[in-house]
Amino acid sequence: EVQLVESGGGLVKPGGSLRLSCAASGFTFSSYSMNWVRQAPGKGLEWVSSISSSSSYIYYADSVKGRFTISRDNAKNSLYLQMNSLRAEDTAVYYCARDDQGGDYWGQGTLVTVSS
Amino acid sequence: DIQMTQSPSSLSASVGDRVTITCRASQGISNYLAWYQQKPGKVPKLLIYAASTLQSGVPSRFSGSGSGTDFTLTISSLQPEDVATYYCQKYNSAPKTFGQGTKVEIK
Repeated sequence: EVQLVESGGGLVKPGGSLRLSCAASGFTFSSYSMNWVRQAPGKGLEWVSSISSSSSYIYYADSVKGRFTISRDNAKNSLYLQMNSLRAEDTAVYYCARDDQGGDYWGQGTLVTVSS
Repeated sequence: DIQMTQSPSSLSASVGDRVTITCRASQGISNYLAWYQQKPGKVPKLLIYAASTLQSGVPSRFSGSGSGTDFTLTISSLQPEDVATYYCQKYNSAPKTFGQGTKVEIK
């Protein structure tokens, strides 16, 4: 059974940093690109970042470019999102999703709250 | 960047009604279009990929069509469990933009 489990969310002050993790199981993690998608409270889905299976190709939404860094460790079946210079507008539930035909499997999400 | 525009933003229909949601891309994306269902408080669920291919386990009352810039999601007979927000997403290349969502309610 495919499972994606995010962790690392929490309350952080504006300008602070946070590192999200996504632990994958039930499939060959190293064969799939992965995405981070976020959803602000009461708002729609926003694609944040993608990373290819071997980390050769990495993409970011303009809203996070220069502040967020996506990475992965295929030996540990894990996906990461390093978030720096956080702003109030980064407050959201962050989902990791397997990138197959869009996003065929999603984690339960981890809440990031940026507030003083 | 390619923009994805859904319409309507919300709709209310009766049980058994045929419901159609439209998604328009600002440039052609071939058939690299996915539809998701998100029920209140739940994780998004992939319904349709490649514009018209039903994801395994999704009821056959859901269907998708379109190619290029214009796409539709159809629910042939609306059921109470279909109350949700529906999103389209382009996934051919980054940015993998979502539409703004369509909230479906029962009248």
